[in-house]
Amino acid sequence: DGGITQSPKYLFRKEGQNVTLSCEQNLNHDAMYWYRQDPGQGLRLIYYSQIVNDFQKGDIAEGYSVSREKKESFPLTVTSAQKNPTAFYLCASTGTGLNGYTFGSGTRLTVV
Amino acid sequence: GQSLEQPSEVTAVEGAIVQINCTYQTSGFYGLSWYQQHDGGAPTFLSYNALDGLEETGRFSSFLSRSDSYGYLLLQELQMKDSASYFCAVLDTGRRALTFGSGTRLQVQP
Repeated sequence: DGGITQSPKYLFRKEGQNVTLSCEQNLNHDAMYWYRQDPGQGLRLIYYSQIVNDFQKGDIAEGYSVSREKKESFPLTVTSAQKNPTAFYLCASTGTGLNGYTFGSGTRLTVV
Repeated sequence: GQSLEQPSEVTAVEGAIVQINCTYQTSGFYGLSWYQQHDGGAPTFLSYNALDGLEETGRFSSFLSRSDSYGYLLLQELQMKDSASYFCAVLDTGRRALTFGSGTRLQVQP
C-alpha cells in the first residue's frame, strides 16, 4: 500500500538537543511538506520541497532545517534554536495536482 | 500573504445539515481545499474547488465564489463519526503550497 510513514510517533527531547523527524513516502510524489500544529490550531508551514535537492522556507522556518536528497525522503531537524518545539508535526506529499495532499500520521514532539 | 477565516466551533445534531464557511485573502489563487481531521489523527483530503460553483461528493459538498473570496463545506445527514475538525486551505500561485485556516471543530450530538 502506498502512503507516507512518519517516525517516531512520539518523541521526547531535552532542552538544547537537536532531533530529526523522519518522513518517507512511496507514492512517487515530487512535492513534500512539513507542517506544525499546536493544540486547537491550524497547520503552519515549516518547509516544503517541490523537487529533489531543492526546498523553500515556509512561514515558520526559524529553528528548523530539512534536506531532500532522495525523492522518497524529507527529514526535518528541530534544532536547539527552536524556542518552543513542543507540537504535533505533520509531513505531507502531493503529485502534480498540488491540491490533494496525503498526510503522514504525525510525530508528537515534547520537550522535557 | 494569505489569511483564511472560519468559525472556531459548530454544533449540530445527528441527521441534520451543517455549513462551515471560509473566507480568504490571498495575493494569488489556484483554488480552495477542505480537509477533515479527527482528534489525534492526520488530516484527510475532502474536496477541492478551482472554479465557482458546487462540487458534490456523497454527503459532502463544497462551494466556491471567487468574486467573493468565499467558500463553504456542506455536510448532510450528519453522523456521529463526522465529529472532527475541518480546515479550509488555499493553494496560492506564488508559493505552490497550501495555507490552512485555523479549523472549525464540529461536534455532532445525538
